[in-house]
Amino acid sequence: EPEVTQTPSHQVTQMGQEVILRCVPISNHLYFYWYRQILGQKVEFLVSFYNNEISEKSEIFDDQFSVERPDGSNFTLKIRSTKLEDSAMYFCASSELKVVTGYTFGSGTRLTVV
Amino acid sequence: SQQGEEDPQALSIQEGENATMNCSYKTSINNLQWYRQNSGRGLVHLILIRSNEREKHSGRLRVTLDTSKKSSSLLITASRAADTASYFCATDGTNAGKSTFGDGTTLTVKP
Repeated sequence: EPEVTQTPSHQVTQMGQEVILRCVPISNHLYFYWYRQILGQKVEFLVSFYNNEISEKSEIFDDQFSVERPDGSNFTLKIRSTKLEDSAMYFCASSELKVVTGYTFGSGTRLTVV
Repeated sequence: SQQGEEDPQALSIQEGENATMNCSYKTSINNLQWYRQNSGRGLVHLILIRSNEREKHSGRLRVTLDTSKKSSSLLITASRAADTASYFCATDGTNAGKSTFGDGTTLTVKP
């Protein structure tokens, strides 16, 4: 069964450093998303991306965040200057259609900011 | 209460019993999804039910949706120890693709 692949599975970074989280969505999917889950809290929407541009973003997705699809397969989330409160599990997801039949989530990247 | 709230927060049952989890939401939805998450792992999409559907089945899973009550239920029949996980509902409003997740129900199935 097709999978959404995320790398790395765990990243530790110093506060103030930039991190790039990588995702390879399912190949025929057109819509891509990032969510995050702070330990013990709800999964929260960050951003959706379609046709090489952001479709929608939440209030969490401020200027320190950016997304990119640098080539035909990767979808990245960059956090420019990490803060302690950015420590969370970050999930990438993709879907085939806008009127979805379902989303496929990756297994997540656990980001720890120290 | 917030969009996509599950109850109970925790459920403990014996293997072979049925588990029922409920989800309530506040605003109009396009669809509602249920996910499973094993501790510290990724989200596994279980089932999506559209706002014009009332019931859906997938294997041992049965999901109902009552849009008049703004609620959904997930029934897992003949539970197994491997079903032990957290279960989340998530709703898409008019902006499909921006899912709002609930707090989840932690299910423990004792062998």
